[in-house]
Formats: sequence, structure tokens, C-alpha cells
Amino acid sequence: NAGVMQNPRHLVRRRGQEARLRCSPMKGHSHVYWYRQLPEEGLKFMVYLQKENIIDESGMPKERFSAEFPKEGPSILRIQQVVRGDSAAYFCASSLAGGAYEQYFGPGTRLTVT
Amino acid sequence: QKEVEQDPGPLSVPEGAIVSLNCTYSNSAFQYFMWYRQYSRKGPELLMYTYSSGNKEDGRFTAQVDKSSKYISLFIRDSQPSDSATYLCAMYGGTSYGKLTFGQGTILTVHP
Repeated sequence: NAGVMQNPRHLVRRRGQEARLRCSPMKGHSHVYWYRQLPEEGLKFMVYLQKENIIDESGMPKERFSAEFPKEGPSILRIQQVVRGDSAAYFCASSLAGGAYEQYFGPGTRLTVT
Repeated sequence: QKEVEQDPGPLSVPEGAIVSLNCTYSNSAFQYFMWYRQYSRKGPELLMYTYSSGNKEDGRFTAQVDKSSKYISLFIRDSQPSDSATYLCAMYGGTSYGKLTFGQGTILTVHP
């Protein structure tokens, strides 16, 4: 399956711990996007990355959240010192260069903060 | 006011019915208009996208964009129980770089 892969699919963290979410883009895709879906809300854009570059992080909370897409390996969304309000589904999408309007999504990581 | 408005429903129709899903938007810079289908606890699946105004057809699905009215629609013909899902409209354009702006989603149930 050459689709977007995310792991883990489910993640439980206690308040104050760190959460690391991983995303491997579709084969041939070099652009990665992260979105968050809160209960009863739509998908909200967080960050847009290319290899080794953050292109747009306008949707990222100012504190505790960071993202990277290294030259080798998956993209990682990191949430430090998680709080209950971080509980949500986090989706990664990928696209070809120049094809941001055609984003393909992974299955998501469901984060639960206890 | 949200940039993209979508009636969350829920919408319930009998099998075989024609379904009409709609979104309105306020940002005139949007140029690409997408429809995604999301099954419960799954990732969104891209159904189709349209550039600028006009119609696009793919099997039982037809997307329409009217930029003058800032209104987009998705029609599903001969609806099936397997079409039961949440349908999300999304838009892209202007200075948004990679950002897609989504509607809230419409929950559709097609009953046999």
C-alpha cells in the first residue's frame, strides 16, 4: 500500500508527557501537511512542510507544538507537556510539489490525554 | 464568520435518492474546490476537485462550482448505503500556501 502512513494509530498520554506523531507521505510525494480534528469541529490546518523546511506554520499553537520533516525518515509532529485540550485526531496529508490542492490523507492518530 | 460554511445535517435519504450537499464561502481568493468523504474514525478520502467555476463528473458524483455566488455543490446519484459518511468540502487558493480550509462536514445516512 503506497498511501500515507501514520503511527501510532492510537496514543494515550498523561498530562505533562510528550506525544510524538509520525507520518510517512505517499510514495513520490515531497510535501506534508498536518491537520487537527477536534470533536464536533472540522479539520484545521496546522503546518505545511517540505523536506528540511517549514513552509507555513500559521496554524500551529505558539507553545508546546513543533513539527519537522527531516531529509531521511518520516515527518514528526511533537507535542510537549500535553494537556487534556490536546485530545483530538491528528491527520497528516501529502501531495506532489505544486499540487497542494490535491492532498491525500492518512488514517490519523487519535491522541487521548488522561 | 467562518470562511467556509457547511450545514452539518444530519441528512438521511432512502437508497437510490439523489443527494445534494452544499458549501458557501467568503474568500474570493479560493480557486480550487475539493470534496472529501470521511467514514467514521477514518481519514478523509479525496473524491474530486474542481478548478474555478464549472462542473465535473466522476461516476455517480458531480461537483459544481459557482464562483459568482461563492457556492459549491456535490451531487450523488443513485445513492447507496455505502455512501453513508461525513462529506467535507475544502478550498484552496490565494496566499494560503498549502493550507486547505474545510467546512464542518455534512453527515449523510443512506438507508436501504
